[in-house]
Amino acid sequence: EADIYQTPRYLVIGTGKKITLECSQTMGHDKMYWYQQDPGMELHLIHYSYGVNSTEKGDLSSESTVSRIRTEHFPLTLESARPSHTSQYLCASSGGTGPNQPQHFGDGTRLSIL
Amino acid sequence: AQTVTQSQPEMSVQEAETVTLSCTYDTSESDYYLFWYKQPPSRQMILVIRQEAYKQQNATENRFSVNFQKAAKSFSLKISDSQLGDAAMYFCAYRSTYRGGAQKLVFGQGTRLTINP
Repeated sequence: EADIYQTPRYLVIGTGKKITLECSQTMGHDKMYWYQQDPGMELHLIHYSYGVNSTEKGDLSSESTVSRIRTEHFPLTLESARPSHTSQYLCASSGGTGPNQPQHFGDGTRLSIL
Repeated sequence: AQTVTQSQPEMSVQEAETVTLSCTYDTSESDYYLFWYKQPPSRQMILVIRQEAYKQQNATENRFSVNFQKAAKSFSLKISDSQLGDAAMYFCAYRSTYRGGAQKLVFGQGTRLTINP
């Protein structure tokens, strides 16, 4: 199994709170990704990173922000949570230079905003 | 932009039988990679199988094989001798062979596979 970890697994929190979802990988991968996935639906890329100090917005607009200060760490932050942010958030990473390298996924964080 | 379509939201199969999940895609590129990922309930998404477009031979991984039809832009997944542990959401994904950039995956909508004992 891939060594990529997300915490928390589940979070139920009230509107207006600041939230940080953690993602760490121990594989030394340079590329990391955040996806948003509603239950039983497709994945939408919301952020990605080529490496340290490099972050880009994905294909789906998101009010969240990310940072990449260390290779192994790629946290996602919501400054003021709203019910529309309720979803599952998946973190992934990939290494190497070839496009045949698969993305390795974490277990995900199920976020529910009341 | 590339798109991936999985036209079967749900499929079911009897244990030990064979099932085929469909995937079509649209691209103007001549070389690319295709993937099938499996997402069991409340568990980690894992890679099932991958195929490079320039390789004519269909990829096989144990009970999992693909039928890659490049001209038709079709990439179906066949699961033989279905087992209860195969129950999951299956996602088809596309990736360009461009070696720079983030090497993003484009995912289909997913197919929920149920295995009946």
